[in-house]
Amino acid sequence: EAQVTQNPRYLITVTGKKLTVTCSQNMNHEYMSWYRQDPGLGLRQIYYSMNVEVTDKGDVPEGYKVSRKEKRNFPLILESPSPNQTSLYFCASSLKSWTGFSYEQYFGPGTRLTVT
Amino acid sequence: GQQLNQSPQSMFIQEGEDVSMNCTSSSIFNTWLWYKQDPGEGPVLLIALYKAGELTSNGRLTAQFGTTRKDSFLNISASIPSDVGIYFCAGTGANSKLTFGKGITLSVRP
Repeated sequence: EAQVTQNPRYLITVTGKKLTVTCSQNMNHEYMSWYRQDPGLGLRQIYYSMNVEVTDKGDVPEGYKVSRKEKRNFPLILESPSPNQTSLYFCASSLKSWTGFSYEQYFGPGTRLTVT
Repeated sequence: GQQLNQSPQSMFIQEGEDVSMNCTSSSIFNTWLWYKQDPGEGPVLLIALYKAGELTSNGRLTAQFGTTRKDSFLNISASIPSDVGIYFCAGTGANSKLTFGKGITLSVRP
């Protein structure tokens, strides 16, 4: 089954404790992206990757890191989480369009992160 | 930057009613997408539109790419309880990056 998986689905942690949220897709998509969803703010892009070893900042990259060492995986790293990073996080993937960007993105089930 | 406007933030309808949502932009968009997010899930693509004036249906859903290329509409006919969720519009404009609206939360009263 074609899908995007994220782990963990729920995470409660404390300020400053490094964490990684994994994302994996089995559709051989070049483009992958991370979003955060907050009430009233919709989906905001954190980072995206157009291919292996190619990553770039989205609209709200501060406090986050990503890496793309393999095509199927795109982990999101919070080196020193803070309470304002409490949010619902989504990973997404898609084929790459001729412009290099993505159109029809497939989303994972989400990771609900709470930082106390 | 590119922004997409969706309003109102919430809509409440009676089961069986039709509902229409729109999404507007101050700049021209080249593609329009509509997603639905069920509670506790990730957004799922409903309809993709690639040409101005295009009208596409997916079951009880119909979406249109506005002729001005600055808006798109989604219609849901004969609503049912499982239509509840958040409906996002998304699109790509001059910078080719996918931009999302803030979403409309739809509630359906039985």
